[in-house]
Amino acid sequence: DSGVTQTPKHLITATGQRVTLRCSPRSGDLSVYWYQQSLDQGLQFLIQYYNGEERAKGNILERFSAQQFPDLHSELNLSSLELGDSALYFCASSVGWAGATEAFFGQGTRLTVV
Amino acid sequence: SQQGEEDPQALSIQEGENATMNCSYKTSINNLQWYRQNSGRGLVHLILIRSNEREKHSGRLRVTLDTSKKSSSLLITASRAADTASYFCATSTDSGGYNKLIFGAGTRLAVHP
Repeated sequence: DSGVTQTPKHLITATGQRVTLRCSPRSGDLSVYWYQQSLDQGLQFLIQYYNGEERAKGNILERFSAQQFPDLHSELNLSSLELGDSALYFCASSVGWAGATEAFFGQGTRLTVV
Repeated sequence: SQQGEEDPQALSIQEGENATMNCSYKTSINNLQWYRQNSGRGLVHLILIRSNEREKHSGRLRVTLDTSKKSSSLLITASRAADTASYFCATSTDSGGYNKLIFGAGTRLAVHP
């Protein structure tokens, strides 16, 4: 158990819909990252937060947004969903800046858009 | 775009053999990490090597870093069937004053009993 909790574990929804993925980082971790992993692919970096503020953005679509709340949990909102958005979405957390220390990953949310 | 690229994309070996995976990256890094992912599950950190280090060991794992060639390798010695997984390198790069942790596409390792 990494200490990072992601909910829900599985999500099936229709095209055009909006979903919210939730991440609770490890206790004490200030950085939260979101990644997208399509079938048998690598991890695409989406966005990173540190202590409530956005710190870095990757290839995140305009239909996607995220935020980190004062209690440090984070949510990733995906709207106007398309079939191609079907993927595993991972959240990770670390104590400090990205890469300075190891990142701990949640078990992911598997999103299926039908 | 991916910062790191692993080579080979897939590797199949017998138990007891050594497995070597390589990672190349494009820009200067602060450090490089290796992670392991069992099928469809979250990634697990294996080892971190800083840009001023050349080699690091952890159990059966040996990681090397050559910053002049912008490359790293992960060696798993005396492999076991339980080592079957995907292995990713991740680099920490500066992004407007804040680091990003970028992953490569991974190497799928299959260890056969």
